Amino acid sequence: GNSVTQMEGPVTLSEEAFLTINCTYTATGYPSLFWYVQYPGEGLQLLLKATKADDKGSNKGFEATYRKETTSFHLEKGSVQVSDSAVYFCALSFYSGGSNYKLTFGKGTLLTVNP
Amino acid sequence: KAGVTQTPRYLIKTRGQQVTLSCSPISGHRSVSWYQQTPGQGLQFLFEYFSETQRNKGNFPGRFSGRQFSNSRSEMNVSTLELGDSALYLCASSSGQGAGGYTFGSGTRLTVV
Repeated sequence: GNSVTQMEGPVTLSEEAFLTINCTYTATGYPSLFWYVQYPGEGLQLLLKATKADDKGSNKGFEATYRKETTSFHLEKGSVQVSDSAVYFCALSFYSGGSNYKLTFGKGTLLTVNP
Repeated sequence: KAGVTQTPRYLIKTRGQQVTLSCSPISGHRSVSWYQQTPGQGLQFLFEYFSETQRNKGNFPGRFSGRQFSNSRSEMNVSTLELGDSALYLCASSSGQGAGGYTFGSGTRLTVV
């Protein structure tokens, strides 16, 4: 079956540090890949996405590149802020028959950024 | 543009009771998906509705059911509640077509006592 593995947290960084959250996937075929972020007490917000190999998704200073050869979609940000503190989820879905199928999520990585 | 609205935000129910949760998707979105989030199991897909028809279903017992109305609003029902049903239930809407992402609501926090 399809699955997503992301690095265990929690991750604690100082403001302006470099962030990497690793994400690898197992899937038959070529899924679309997503990063979602969840702030305390809220639902999930789409952070970025990539729909095919070598695509780079980017938003709010975050980036991730779809690497088919390593089945990875690592999230990076050059300089984190306190406001980036949240739980980050990597996810995949398949596009077939005119739509995306259900999302399969990783376990989530809690990021805490200290001032 | 209004986002995805879930009601109620919080619920406390007794074991054995049933509960109905509601989700209003973004205007124009025809697909509504439901997810269960727990600390132990993470985010798990329950089911998806598109134009009033269940299009996909996850691996949950038959106590979990849903439906979608002609205005795309969706309800999820859980019967004979168990303690393990305590979770955050998230609804996500999408156009249902194309490779776009999903927009999530803030969720309903269900506590079963």
